[in-house]
Amino acid sequence: QSALTQPGSVSGSPGQSITISCTGTSSDVGAYNFVSWYQQHPGKAPKVMIYDVTNRPSGVSNRFSGSKSGNTASLTISGLQAEDEADYYCSSYSSSSTLRFGGGTKLTVL
Amino acid sequence: EVQLVESGGGLVQPGGSLRLSCAASGFTFSSFWMTWVRQAPGKGLEWVANINLDGSEKNYVDSVKGRFTISRDNDKNSLYLQMNSLRAEDTAVYYCARGQTRPALWGRGTLVTVSS
Repeated sequence: QSALTQPGSVSGSPGQSITISCTGTSSDVGAYNFVSWYQQHPGKAPKVMIYDVTNRPSGVSNRFSGSKSGNTASLTISGLQAEDEADYYCSSYSSSSTLRFGGGTKLTVL
Repeated sequence: EVQLVESGGGLVQPGGSLRLSCAASGFTFSSFWMTWVRQAPGKGLEWVANINLDGSEKNYVDSVKGRFTISRDNDKNSLYLQMNSLRAEDTAVYYCARGQTRPALWGRGTLVTVSS
């Protein structure tokens, strides 16, 4: 039950776009369209930004988008803003009715 | 208001026990799988356990199997996590979350510290 693989950190300047990858296996990311992305600010609970690979909950900016190819999912944030600086986690439903999280990616807005 | 509120965290000695609770409000609790997720200090999120609508199916991460028990009371709109034989590595903020495949509603968490 190891974690999905995410880069430890990414950075970008305001207005730029960044992409965070999330690599799993054919038993989780590759098998199901149940990939979610969470944003977590320090001391706060995670907030879902993308669910089921590409869907945005109401209230989440359309600057956030998700995609998947094979065993790798991706989160893209366009038009970076200072408020986007946070930790981001992916999750995927996995076999045996379990959920796996990525190790997290720290986004720095320069 | 749709929300989840965890309680029951605290300081406990290694080998001790603790029972966490999660009170749900604002939605039909019995219609959702529920999940516990934890986050050790400075670390990432870790899925701990989930439970189906009527409590007949329960799943756990390997590291807590045999020590933790997830349960629910749909009449009381509450989720529980009984934690026994606690270890230092169980120290974390424990979140309850609504959903199985894509937990979308989270509580604020309750801190569990295992230390002598």
